[in-house]
Amino acid sequence: GAGVSQSPSNKVTEKGKDVELRCDPISGHTALYWYRQRLGQGLEFLIYFQGNSAPDKSGLPSDRFSAERTGESVSTLTIQRTQQEDSAVYLCASSPEVFTDTQYFGPGTRLTVL
Amino acid sequence: AQKVTQAQTEISVVEKEDVTLDCVYETRDTTYYLFWYKQPPSGELVFLIRRNSFDEQNEISGRYSWNFQKSTSSFNFTITASQVVDSAVYFCALSEANGSTLGRLYFGRGTQLTVWP
Repeated sequence: GAGVSQSPSNKVTEKGKDVELRCDPISGHTALYWYRQRLGQGLEFLIYFQGNSAPDKSGLPSDRFSAERTGESVSTLTIQRTQQEDSAVYLCASSPEVFTDTQYFGPGTRLTVL
Repeated sequence: AQKVTQAQTEISVVEKEDVTLDCVYETRDTTYYLFWYKQPPSGELVFLIRRNSFDEQNEISGRYSWNFQKSTSSFNFTITASQVVDSAVYFCALSEANGSTLGRLYFGRGTQLTVWP
């Protein structure tokens, strides 16, 4: 079946602009996660959604970051007033349920803030 | 404090050599999961294995094997008879049962493995 998809694959923006990143999870997966990977670093947790429960936003680095998810489908990660330190690969993952299940990752969106 | 430590930043081997990637983790939970992911140059993370904290049996899958030792909080990964296609960054990750962090994966910084022909 189809895996996790993300769009765009690459995004170049100017400092101060807003960007939206999209994630389509694997069909039927109730849990969805966003991570950030800075150059040469491991993945850093940002936020996760589990069904209709309130999302865990504790990993978001600042109030410029927000995310939404419609039901158990698409999620968008929005970064407002982008800064150069936001440049990274943003990875989305989904799993059938939280915790006990393996997370499957999409190809990521490479964000470059000039 | 780092929950997952991969002390080896880069490893280079010649094809057909065996190579072990180290992973040390830290958690107070008695229930947790450990993972290994592979990130080839294309960038997409590929799931390799998941082990739960109650199952210390070593596992072998083809040329891959994993050694889980709770006594040393380690979950090491060995590739036997390495091949050029094994060249990638390998990440070890931990997921805890703690309610406040339920669901998130803690990743190590990764080990860049280069296999030369």
